[in-house]
Amino acid sequence: DAGVIQSPRHEVTEMGQEVTLRCKPISGHDYLFWYRQTMMRGLELLIYFNNNVPIDDSGMPEDRFSAKMPNASFSTLKIQPSEPRDSAVYFCASSFGPRRSDGYTFGSGTRLTVV
Amino acid sequence: GQQLNQSPQSMFIQEGEDVSMNCTSSSIFNTWLWYKQDPGEGPVLLIALYKAGELTSNGRLTAQFGITRKDSFLNISASIPSDVGIYFCAGRTQGGSEKLVFGKGTKLTVNP
Repeated sequence: DAGVIQSPRHEVTEMGQEVTLRCKPISGHDYLFWYRQTMMRGLELLIYFNNNVPIDDSGMPEDRFSAKMPNASFSTLKIQPSEPRDSAVYFCASSFGPRRSDGYTFGSGTRLTVV
Repeated sequence: GQQLNQSPQSMFIQEGEDVSMNCTSSSIFNTWLWYKQDPGEGPVLLIALYKAGELTSNGRLTAQFGITRKDSFLNISASIPSDVGIYFCAGRTQGGSEKLVFGKGTKLTVNP
């Protein structure tokens, strides 16, 4: 398996623009997670899905953030409008869930810079 | 919310030295995991622990699930330059939730 695939690897955008981050989880994994990593706050869980259904979005900062999972092999995290404080590395991760205690497999992340 | 206290925040050691880091929680966990993050990459799972008291090794890495189920430690023996990175502990609480709680990480620097 190619692992969790995220795109783009780097994104530089101007404040106010819409940003879309993409993720392809590992085939067969039932859970998908979106994390944000910053120096100050570490790894923050934004939202996670089980079988394509959002289960917990309590970590989504505000209405400017939205996430979708239209099918088992694809998810997006959208920021509209983007702000400089959204600059961070965004990780997608997937897992089998409680039926297998293997932990999460992370993608390589998208480094977002909002100027 | 649940928090994991991971210490130390950073370590600067000489190649060949042993390293120890730990995580504590106010909640009981039924799974402890240790991840390593290399620069520019996502965290990668190193060791998973499932039972209180469990001691597991992976090469030069050894981790233990604390008896109280509220702590875990990771040891690295005979460190080498490629051990450089950020090490995260993570835990899963009882109740079947798939949510993992992550520590803030320990940044390890190894001087050749």
